[in-house]
Parts: sequence; C-alpha cells; structure tokens
Amino acid sequence: GENVEQHPSTLSVQEGDSAVIKCTYSDSASNYFPWYKQELGKRPQLIIDIRSNVGEKKDQRIAVTLNKTAKHFSLHITETQPEDSAVYFCAASIGGNEKLTFGTGTRLTIIP
Amino acid sequence: EAQVTQNPRYLITVTGKKLTVTCSQNMNHEYMSWYRQDPGLGLRQIYYSMNVEVTDKGDVPEGYKVSRKEKRNFPLILESPSPNQTSLYFCASSSLTGRREQYFGPGTRLTVT
Repeated sequence: GENVEQHPSTLSVQEGDSAVIKCTYSDSASNYFPWYKQELGKRPQLIIDIRSNVGEKKDQRIAVTLNKTAKHFSLHITETQPEDSAVYFCAASIGGNEKLTFGTGTRLTIIP
Repeated sequence: EAQVTQNPRYLITVTGKKLTVTCSQNMNHEYMSWYRQDPGLGLRQIYYSMNVEVTDKGDVPEGYKVSRKEKRNFPLILESPSPNQTSLYFCASSSLTGRREQYFGPGTRLTVT
C-alpha cells in the first residue's frame, strides 16, 4: 500500500520567516495530495490540496509544490504568523479520499 | 450548520466491554471514514465507506467494525476493546464530487484499561 513520509517532525521558525514541510510518497499511482492543519485540541482542517496534473498551487501565504518524478510534495508557508503554529499533515491517495494515507505530522512553532 | 458530530467525546472503559462510537453528518456526503490518531503515528485510516452499505478496510481495521445503514451515520464498533485501542478517534465525511475536502468531527478520546 501507499506509504507517506513527512519531514521534519518538528519545526521552529521566527515570525515573518518562511516554513517548508516535505513529504514523499511511494505509490506512483497516487494523484491527490491534501494538506491538513490541526491546531492544539482541535480537529484537522484542509488548508490546501493539489492534484497530479498540476505542479504548483498557491493560496495567499500557502503554496504546495509537487514533483511527480521524484514522488515528493512540499508545503510552503511565507510570512509566518503566530496563528500558523499547529501540526500539519500531508496525505496522498489515488483518485480522491477513498483511501487516504497521512504522513506522521509536523509540529510547527512560530517564535514571536 | 454543516457539521460532523461524534459521541461520546470522552470514554473510559475496560478491556472486553463492547462499545460504539457514533458519527453523524448533515451534509449529505457519500463518503465517510474513521481514523485513529496516535502520537508520532499521525492519522491512520481504520475503515471508510463510499456510500450506504458500501464499506472497506483502511490501514488498521483489526479489532474494529463499522456499518453504513443510513447515509448520514457511520458508527464505529469495538466488539472487545483492548488497551492498544486507547487513542483519539476522528470521523470524517466528504462529497465524492468537487473538491472532496474531508470534514472532521471533533474527535473521541478513548481509554481502555
């Protein structure tokens, strides 16, 4: 089955700097890659997703890039703010959400 | 308000005592899923359902059962809970068209002693 590895497991950045979280996947048939944000004590929420026919997608300060050849995708957060502090999960699936495999998560801390 | 609800939110039980965690959504979503979240392991899919009477195993189905008799409900059943099923459980639902964003419930923290 699919295996998703996520790095780093923890990340601390100064407020205003950029943060990058990287994920690799094993199944070349995977074609849907969402990112979820989970604030402390809360439920995960989708922040951005990308399909394999697109190399990059951006939504304000958040962007995701996908390299199908290398089978990795990354989340980029620019101009980080304290409210960006959370655990971020990447995921991969074939087709959609039918069998979604998550990475182990990255705890991002923004230092004021 | 569009939402996914789970009950109970917290549960402490003993080994072997059957329990059911309910999940309900009011968005008419075809797809529903159960995950468990453990420190360092992320979210792991237990079971999912593409529609009424259609269920399939995720990555960690052992020790769990599910049913999908109605579109809005997707209960998770632990027939004989064991301590290794102590975890935080999330139910989620999504449409099978459009963006397919998964909407998560608030979570159920289960402790099996």
